[in-house]
Amino acid sequence: DVKVTQSSRYLVKRTGEKVFLECVQDMDHENMFWYRQDPGLGLRLIYFSYDVKMKEKGDIPEGYSVSREKKERFSLILESASTNQTSMYLCASSPTGMGTDTQYFGPGTRLTVL
Amino acid sequence: AQSVTQLGSHVSVSEGALVLLRCNYSSSVPPYLFWYVQYPNQGLQLLLKYTTGATLVKGINGFEAEFKKSETSFHLTKPSAHMSDAAEYFCAVSGSGGYNKLIFGAGTRLAVHP
Repeated sequence: DVKVTQSSRYLVKRTGEKVFLECVQDMDHENMFWYRQDPGLGLRLIYFSYDVKMKEKGDIPEGYSVSREKKERFSLILESASTNQTSMYLCASSPTGMGTDTQYFGPGTRLTVL
Repeated sequence: AQSVTQLGSHVSVSEGALVLLRCNYSSSVPPYLFWYVQYPNQGLQLLLKYTTGATLVKGINGFEAEFKKSETSFHLTKPSAHMSDAAEYFCAVSGSGGYNKLIFGAGTRLAVHP
């Protein structure tokens, strides 16, 4: 079974703090993704990575950056957290970049920025 | 640009009743279509997907969906609802830009009453 783990289920941070969200997958998948989930908006893609050290912006990259130094690990960084970044963050991975691939999701991190 | 519309943010059914969750998509290329389910406090997991071939797709837990190109629809059905089906359901289309990017609908929350 594919397993995608996220470092925290719940996180509370202060405005202006630098925040790191970590994601690890154990199936040697090429692609990894970060989404944020907000009520009524579904999931929106922040960034994705198709190889180590390679990254592409998604639909809402502003205020975020990412890092992929190892194939299994994909980090989302909030350089200076703001209250409008309070959300559920979901990480996903897929075997390749083919459009038919299933994406496998982690359990999510609920981030609150005060 | 591709998009997904899910009709009805909340659907309520009685246990044993038919479940019908509606999804319409917009795509300039032949679409790959997905339904994911999110149980409370969990990440998303794949219910079923349409790639090519048979337009009626069967998934896990008794769910199925039919791809209708003429109606640009991919509605999800289950003949008899279970209490355990209560969850949020997301329809998604694989993006035309490659890299297996998914575009999600806003989600439909299904409630099942005894």
